[in-house]
Amino acid sequence: EDQVTQSPEALRLQEGESSSLNCSYTVSGLRGLFWYRQDPGKGPEFLFTLYSAGEEKEKERLKATLTKKESFLHITAPKPEDSATYLCAVYYNQGGKLIFGQGTELSVKP
Amino acid sequence: ETGVTQTPRHLVMGMTNKKSLKCEQHLGHNAMYWYKQSAKKPLELMFVYNFKEQTENNSVPSRFSPECPNSSHLFLHLHTLQPEDSALYLCASSQEATSDTQYFGPGTRLTVL
Repeated sequence: EDQVTQSPEALRLQEGESSSLNCSYTVSGLRGLFWYRQDPGKGPEFLFTLYSAGEEKEKERLKATLTKKESFLHITAPKPEDSATYLCAVYYNQGGKLIFGQGTELSVKP
Repeated sequence: ETGVTQTPRHLVMGMTNKKSLKCEQHLGHNAMYWYKQSAKKPLELMFVYNFKEQTENNSVPSRFSPECPNSSHLFLHLHTLQPEDSALYLCASSQEATSDTQYFGPGTRLTVL
């Protein structure tokens, strides 16, 4: 079954404590993997698109990487304003649509 | 206005009411989408429109009726909804209905009494 799984479901960090979020996928013919940030009661905000294994992208304290089976979102020295739910989504050949994981809720305490 | 806008932001309706959600994109995109987001569940794709033509209906009940008069506007007409339809309804757009990045609006929080 084609699916996207994110772990952990929730992550609590202290300010400055670096960590990683995982997104694993079981689809055939990956055409793109997307990371979004979502604040409570708001729509998802686009962060990154990754298209092929080995690709990496960075934005401020965030770095996304992609392998053939999973993607990581690394957060370096996080700040309280990084607290949000991070969503991963996959677009693949047979699906013809974007499927989302359930998200990782990140909380960064000062 | 920039990006993707949605109105209203909040809506409370009874099960016998008829209401409509509106989405407008200012990005020059050709594809538009409706998603449903319920608590603790992944986003669920409902409908896809590409160049004003519906290309995906993800087994959505007929009490939800989409309309796409042009590539910039998308509506979701609601009638005789159920309490379990209460959720955040999100609109998104992309250049085309392919692997292009989708950009989301702020959503409409719908409560069905």
